[in-house]
Amino acid sequence: GQNIDQPTEMTATEGAIVQINCTYQTSGFNGLFWYQQHAGEAPTFLSYNVLDGLEEKGRFSSFLSRSKGYSYLLLKELQMKDSASYLCAPRSWGKLQFGAGTQVVVTP
Amino acid sequence: DTEVTQTPKHLVMGMTNKKSLKCEQHMGHRAMYWYKQKAKKPPELMFVYSYEKLSINESVPSRFSPECPNSSLLNLHLHALQPEDSALYLCASSQEGLAGGYNEQFFGPGTRLTVL
Repeated sequence: GQNIDQPTEMTATEGAIVQINCTYQTSGFNGLFWYQQHAGEAPTFLSYNVLDGLEEKGRFSSFLSRSKGYSYLLLKELQMKDSASYLCAPRSWGKLQFGAGTQVVVTP
Repeated sequence: DTEVTQTPKHLVMGMTNKKSLKCEQHMGHRAMYWYKQKAKKPPELMFVYSYEKLSINESVPSRFSPECPNSSLLNLHLHALQPEDSALYLCASSQEGLAGGYNEQFFGPGTRLTVL
């Protein structure tokens, strides 16, 4: 079966950096996605990793280690609008398997 | 057009009603998905259509019946639902089916369904 672990909640202040870790055990692995979801809204795509290493996109970066079954999402220069749930989603046999999500709370 | 649209936004139905959820995309994507999301839970995959053919049914009860009339449209027909089926139903699309590659899924805003 699939097993995806990420912290339930993280709190940080505006302008700070937060790192959301995700560990996964999945068969047929073919890439890992990170999505952002604001309350009551649809998930929106943030990043994709298929090879080991770091992918950087503006204030957001994502890292993957396939051998360790580990990824993290790094959010820099936090803004109030970054308060949302962040979903780790490894792809298993072509299907996205979503983690429970990490609720990030940004405080002034 | 980089949007997935869903109608209606909200739906309230009784357990004996028949209703349909609709999803549309005009990005030329060949794969479309239905997800169910309960409050404070992640989306759960229900169905995948690839090139207008049903390729995955995640053991969803038959009271949910998907339909893909063409490559841009995806419907979810609902009949004899239970109160526990109340949830946010999300539609998504991606360029390709279940093959590898980038294949980002674009999500619609969802239909908030309440079954009384």
